Amino acid sequence: AQSVSQHNHHVILSEAASLELGCNYSYGGTVNLFWYVQYPGQHLQLLLKYFSGDPLVKGIKGFEAEFIKSKFSFNLRKPSVQWSDTAEYFCAVILNRDDKIIFGKGTRLHILP
Amino acid sequence: GAVVSQHPSRVICKSGTSVKIECRSLDFQATTMFWYRQFPKQSLMLMATSNEGSKATYEQGVEKDKFLINHASLTLSTLTVTSAHPEDSSFYICSVGSTGYNEQFFGPGTRLTVL
Repeated sequence: AQSVSQHNHHVILSEAASLELGCNYSYGGTVNLFWYVQYPGQHLQLLLKYFSGDPLVKGIKGFEAEFIKSKFSFNLRKPSVQWSDTAEYFCAVILNRDDKIIFGKGTRLHILP
Repeated sequence: GAVVSQHPSRVICKSGTSVKIECRSLDFQATTMFWYRQFPKQSLMLMATSNEGSKATYEQGVEKDKFLINHASLTLSTLTVTSAHPEDSSFYICSVGSTGYNEQFFGPGTRLTVL
């Protein structure tokens, strides 16, 4: 079955550290890829998405992600995190054959001030 | 993207009662709406997919008689939790999509607490 794996369940960083959250998916066909963020007590917000074109995608709040097709990966990065980035981050995939979105289990990011 | 609202944002009810949650797409013709459930500190789990004017398709393990979904128009879907029990307490989130759009837009969620 198709799945999305987020390798880090809980990440703790200090402010100004660089961030990379891993995401891999298992599906050989065409996919659309997303990263969502959920701040404490708030709803899901789209950080960035990849449909086609340049595999390096820039999103809001200084986040970016790189789609590496050969590795089935879509890792999220930010060069310098802030305390306000404390949140849960979800990688998600929509398979082009249907409309269902498959979420990873999420990574809880905690930034120390 | 589309603006999606949910009502109510929070609801507390007694065990055995039914609760209706509305999901509205304010500026997008949503041919498809999705309902998710999110347990604390966990990911979203798809409960069902509904297409406007047809019966919802439920994911394995989701009781269709307990979670009634109605998608009567392109802008409104409702989820009714019937005979709610404490284990139904959760965060329910809807999203909207459209045929061939390959993206979903999420509502703010409804927190249900069953006493």
